[in-house]
Amino acid sequence: DVKVTQSSRYLVKRTGEKVFLECVQDMDHENMFWYRQDPGLGLRLIYFSYDVKMKEKGDIPEGYSVSREKKERFSLILESASTNQTSMYLCASSYGGRVTEAFFGQGTRLTVV
Amino acid sequence: KNQVEQSPQSLIILEGKNCTLQCNYTVSPFSNLRWYKQDTGRGPVSLTIMTFSENTKSNGRYTATLDADTKQSSLHITASQLSDSASYICVVSAGIGTGTASKLTFGTGTRLQVTL
Repeated sequence: DVKVTQSSRYLVKRTGEKVFLECVQDMDHENMFWYRQDPGLGLRLIYFSYDVKMKEKGDIPEGYSVSREKKERFSLILESASTNQTSMYLCASSYGGRVTEAFFGQGTRLTVV
Repeated sequence: KNQVEQSPQSLIILEGKNCTLQCNYTVSPFSNLRWYKQDTGRGPVSLTIMTFSENTKSNGRYTATLDADTKQSSLHITASQLSDSASYICVVSAGIGTGTASKLTFGTGTRLQVTL
């Protein structure tokens, strides 16, 4: 079974803090993604990576950065958390090339106060 | 712009009843369409995938259909159970070759509640 594991289920952070969300997959997938999910808006792509040290901006990258130093790990960084970044964050991974299926982690519910 | 629209936004049905969820898309070029089930507070889990040449595919009590001409898909749930209560998300993948991660376009989901 594919396993995509996110480091935290719930996080509460203060405005201005630097926040790290970690994601690890055990299927040797080339592609990894970070999404945020908000009511009525569905899943929106923040960043994705198709190889180690490679990254591309998604639809809403502002206020976020990512790091992929190892193939199995993809980190999302909120440089200075703001209340409008309160959301559910979902990490996903897939095999390389054309994406036929993305496997999702359990999600991290982040609240910025 | 690639878009995926789902209807209804939410639905309440009695246990044992059937229901059908709709998905319309404008994604080009089309590669495949997948239905995901997302339980509250969890990540989405794939139910079924439809490619261009497939019209119908079943997975237990779930049956997905695809009409590539009208760019519509439906997910039919038969004999609903309380555990079917979840959000159902339609996701369309654009076929733009290999070498880079193609983007997935997500619908906003249909929230289904099955009651006694």
